[in-house]
Amino acid sequence: GQNIDQPTEMTATEGAIVQINCTYQTSGFNGLFWYQQHAGEAPTFLSYNVLDGLEEKGRFSSFLSRSKGYSYLLLKELQMKDSASYLCAVMDSNYQLIWGAGTKLIIKP
Amino acid sequence: NAGVTQTPKFRVLKTGQSMTLLCAQDMNHEYMYWYRQDPGMGLRLIHYSVGEGTTAKGEVPDGYNVSRLKKQNFLLGLESAAPSQTSVYFCASSYDPEGQPQHFGDGTRLSIL
Repeated sequence: GQNIDQPTEMTATEGAIVQINCTYQTSGFNGLFWYQQHAGEAPTFLSYNVLDGLEEKGRFSSFLSRSKGYSYLLLKELQMKDSASYLCAVMDSNYQLIWGAGTKLIIKP
Repeated sequence: NAGVTQTPKFRVLKTGQSMTLLCAQDMNHEYMYWYRQDPGMGLRLIHYSVGEGTTAKGEVPDGYNVSRLKKQNFLLGLESAAPSQTSVYFCASSYDPEGQPQHFGDGTRLSIL
């Protein structure tokens, strides 16, 4: 079967750094996406990785290791507005997204 | 630029009733998707479309039907609503599934009593 695992909830402090991990087992791999979803809102695209390595975009970075079936999202200089759920999704061999259940990130002052 | 628009935003139905959820996108995207999101679970694909006039089943298609008569619109129908279909429904669209992100509507919160 196909499976995406990520922690259910994490807590961090404003101004700090947090790393959200995602491991996956899918039938084929055509890229990994990270989305942000504030409570009661739509998911919004954050990053895309298809090759191994780190992609940096401002305060957010995403890393991929295809051999390990592993990715992480790194958030730096945390702000209160970063309190949200972070969704990991893998595109399988049929070009369909398989979604993790999401990691709820709580930022404390 | 509206992006992806879903109507209605909220709805309460009684078991056995039918309804249609409308999704409209103004980005000229070929690909459109319907997902449901339930607590503690990832988004699950119900049906999708790779272009006008086409539809295909996703992971959880039972109890739902879809139509894509116009490129910009993707309709999701519930034939006979059941309490298990209580969920938040998201529509999404993309230019190309390979390497391109999906853009989501704001969701429809549906309760079946």
